[in-house]
Amino acid sequence: GDSVTQTEGQVTVSESKSLIINCTYSATSIAYPNLFWYVRYPGEGLQLLLKVITAGQKGSSRGFEATYNKETTSFHLQKASVQESDSAVYYCALSDRRSGYNKLTFGKGTVLLVSP
Amino acid sequence: EAAVTQSPRSKVAVTGGKVTLSCHQTNNHDYMYWYRQDTGHGLRLIHYSYVADSTEKGDIPDGYKASRPSQENFSLILELASLSQTAVYFCASSDREDQDTQYFGPGTRLLVL
Repeated sequence: GDSVTQTEGQVTVSESKSLIINCTYSATSIAYPNLFWYVRYPGEGLQLLLKVITAGQKGSSRGFEATYNKETTSFHLQKASVQESDSAVYYCALSDRRSGYNKLTFGKGTVLLVSP
Repeated sequence: EAAVTQSPRSKVAVTGGKVTLSCHQTNNHDYMYWYRQDTGHGLRLIHYSYVADSTEKGDIPDGYKASRPSQENFSLILELASLSQTAVYFCASSDREDQDTQYFGPGTRLLVL
């Protein structure tokens, strides 16, 4: 089946420093799945951060960027300068069109802690 | 104002007891979903629904039932709760035309003892 692997556990970054959270995917039933980053802030539900549906394209939102690389099957999340308010759990995901619905497959999540 | 709400936010249940988790959305979305997340795992789909009065099985439906009495409400029912069902449960909704963009509730932390 489909799978998503992302940076494990917690990442601690000092405020104003750069961030990268790695994500690689394996899609067995679709050549080019749609790719996503979702974010969960403390006390809230997951929300879509960015989405890319075309291989080779880059998505960006709130200063975060991710590029869909079909050669390396990767979709790493980057930010040049993090802020304390970016502290959250980040989930990489892919979607696969099934009969009746679009199935989302999520990674385990990466906790980002931004220290002042 | 939160568009997807869940109740309760946390619950302690006894093994063999019945548990009902509720979800309410004000997004006017057709699709609703129930996921569970266990420590060290990604979210996994339990049940989903694309119309009121109908539910479909997701990837891990065993031990769970779902109910969609109206477009706004979607419940997850554990008839005989087991220790292995201790997890965080998330409800989500999405529009039929953009199913990939899902709107999640804050989650329910369930502990089965």
